Amino acid sequence: SQTIHQWPATLVQPVGSPLSLECTVEGTSNPNLYWYRQAAGRGLQLLFYSVGIGQISSEVPQNLSASRPQDRQFILSSKKLLLSDSGFYLCAWSSLGFGVTDTQYFGPGTRLTVL
Amino acid sequence: KNQVEQSPQSLIILEGKNCTLQCNYTVSPFSNLRWYKQDTGRGPVSLTIMTFSENTKSNGRYTATLDADTKQSSLHITASQLSDSASYICVVSFGYSSASKIIFGSGTRLSIRP
Repeated sequence: SQTIHQWPATLVQPVGSPLSLECTVEGTSNPNLYWYRQAAGRGLQLLFYSVGIGQISSEVPQNLSASRPQDRQFILSSKKLLLSDSGFYLCAWSSLGFGVTDTQYFGPGTRLTVL
Repeated sequence: KNQVEQSPQSLIILEGKNCTLQCNYTVSPFSNLRWYKQDTGRGPVSLTIMTFSENTKSNGRYTATLDADTKQSSLHITASQLSDSASYICVVSFGYSSASKIIFGSGTRLSIRP
């Protein structure tokens, strides 16, 4: 069966510090991978998605970047965190893209607080 | 403007009662609509997926409907249980396969009281 892992589960970082969140998927090959952010009381916002190693698409301009160094590894990074980067970060995977009938499976999330 | 709106924003019902959550969307061209359940502090879990040609789909006590003409969907929960307390998110995919987009609704927070 497929599983998706995220770490850390929670993180408190000062403004201006770097960030690295990691997501890994097991039990599947060539998944589509996604990073989302959910601000308190708000809907999920798609940040990045990837259809393959080294292929990253950004949905919104921001202080963050993403990388996919391996088939089942997706990393979210920042060189300097802003207060507005606080939120709940979710990684997800799917076998197919958005426009087809396919389910996205979400990881447990990382709660990031920037102080 | 492509958008997804959910109502109500929050809802409290007694255990055992039924409820219906609404999702209205304005996207083009429509591809599919999904309902997710998100427990507090957890990632969303898929409940149903419907394409243009499907107007109802069930998953246990959850039944989703889709009216592609009016661009409305509803999620009906039957005989609610305490474990149904969660946020329910409507997600709409649109666009052509090479440029698909996805919009998440802001969710309905459902609380089931004993």
